[in-house]
Amino acid sequence: DTGVSQNPRHKITKRGQNVTFRCDPISEHNRLYWYRQTLGQGPEFLTYFQNEAQLEKSRLLSDRFSAERPKGSFSTLEIQRTEQGDSAMYLCASSLEETWSSYNEQFFGPGTRLTVL
Amino acid sequence: RKEVEQDPGPFNVPEGATVAFNCTYSNSASQSFFWYRQDCRKEPKLLMSVYSSGNEDGRFTAQLNRASQYISLLIRDSKLSDSATYLCVVIKVDGDSSASKIIFGSGTRLSIRP
Repeated sequence: DTGVSQNPRHKITKRGQNVTFRCDPISEHNRLYWYRQTLGQGPEFLTYFQNEAQLEKSRLLSDRFSAERPKGSFSTLEIQRTEQGDSAMYLCASSLEETWSSYNEQFFGPGTRLTVL
Repeated sequence: RKEVEQDPGPFNVPEGATVAFNCTYSNSASQSFFWYRQDCRKEPKLLMSVYSSGNEDGRFTAQLNRASQYISLLIRDSKLSDSATYLCVVIKVDGDSSASKIIFGSGTRLSIRP
């Protein structure tokens, strides 16, 4: 399967614990995005990388959230001191680099569903 | 006010019907527009881009109205398999940095009944 993969698919944790999710993008894609989606809402943008550089972070991303893409391939999203409000589906997407005049389709992974008890 | 707004639905229509959704956006500098489809408990997938002149892909027609700041999706001869949530996406790209602001609407649920 050459699509975007995410691990784990499900994570249940207790409030206050740290969690880390992994995303493996489509191999030739240099852009990687993280989104959060709650029930009845569309995906909310969190952050994105171009290769290993983190180019933009949403104001939704509090200090407890950190994302890395150290070698420009896979990425990790860590949430420290989880809160019940962090419960959501965390989606990763990848694409080729966009240009001023064109947008390249984002391909989404299946997501990691986080439940904070 | 949300930057991108959609009627959440659900729209419940019989098979074969024509159904249309609108999506309004508040930032007049928005440049690119798309419709994504999301099946229950699945990831979003691109359905179609939306061009200024309007575009059609089989039973699906997308329109952009920049003056009124909305995009629309029309589905003709609806099929049971069209049941899904339809998300509009609005993108503004910064010309200097190439950074993108990507905003998804909250989605419109469509249910096609036999």
